[in-house]
Amino acid sequence: IAGITQAPTSQILAAGRRMTLRCTQDMRHNAMYWYRQDLGLGLRLIHYSNTAGTTGKGEVPDGYSVSRANTDDFPLTLASAVPSQTSVYFCASSDSAHNEQFFGPGTRLTVL
Amino acid sequence: GQNIDQPTEMTATEGAIVQINCTYQTSGFNGLFWYQQHAGEAPTFLSYNVLDGLEEKGRFSSFLSRSKGYSYLLLKELQMKDSASYLCAVREGDYKLSFGAGTTVTVRA
Repeated sequence: IAGITQAPTSQILAAGRRMTLRCTQDMRHNAMYWYRQDLGLGLRLIHYSNTAGTTGKGEVPDGYSVSRANTDDFPLTLASAVPSQTSVYFCASSDSAHNEQFFGPGTRLTVL
Repeated sequence: GQNIDQPTEMTATEGAIVQINCTYQTSGFNGLFWYQQHAGEAPTFLSYNVLDGLEEKGRFSSFLSRSKGYSYLLLKELQMKDSASYLCAVREGDYKLSFGAGTTVTVRA
C-alpha cells in the first residue's frame, strides 16, 4: 500500500441496505477524516478521528458511523442507506508533522 | 464554524494569470489551505498559509490577510493542465478543515 486507499471504487446500493466504506493508510498518520462531496456544496466533513480509539462528529454526521480500532483503518458505515447519501466519499489523513491532509481516491456511492 | 466564499467559475487563456479569491469567517483560525482537484480525482495539496503574506511555489502563489479574512491563489503562466477546481479550506483547531465549494478554472487555448 502506498499512501491512502479506499474500497470500493464505486457502488450501487439499494435504499435500506447497510454499507461499509473502507479506508486504509500506511503513513502512520494519527488523524483521519471522512468527507462527502456533492456538486455545488464542496467537501463536507462527516466524521473524524484525531487518534486511534477516538472519533468525533463533523458537519454532516447523521446516518453515518465510524470506528478507529487502530492507526491505519477508518471505516465509514451507513446503517440504512437513503438516496440523499448518494455522493462521492473521500477519506483523508494527516499528522502533526505535516500541515496538509492527504486524500484517498474516493468512493462513488449511488443509493437507489 | 466557518463561512467560506469563493467564485464558482473562472475562465482564462493559456499563458495568462488568474487570481482566485477566498473570504472566510471563523472563530479560531489556524491556517488556510488551497487544494487542486481535477475532475474525477482526489484533491491534492497546493499551499498553506498561517501568517500574513505571500507564499510562492513555482507558478502558484498564495496570499493571506488574517485581519481581512481574505486569501487568494495566483496561478501564473497558465497551462491547459491547470484546468481544475481549486478549493479553499480553513483550519480551526489542530486538524479539522472546512472547505469552500470550490472554483472551477477553465484554461482556453
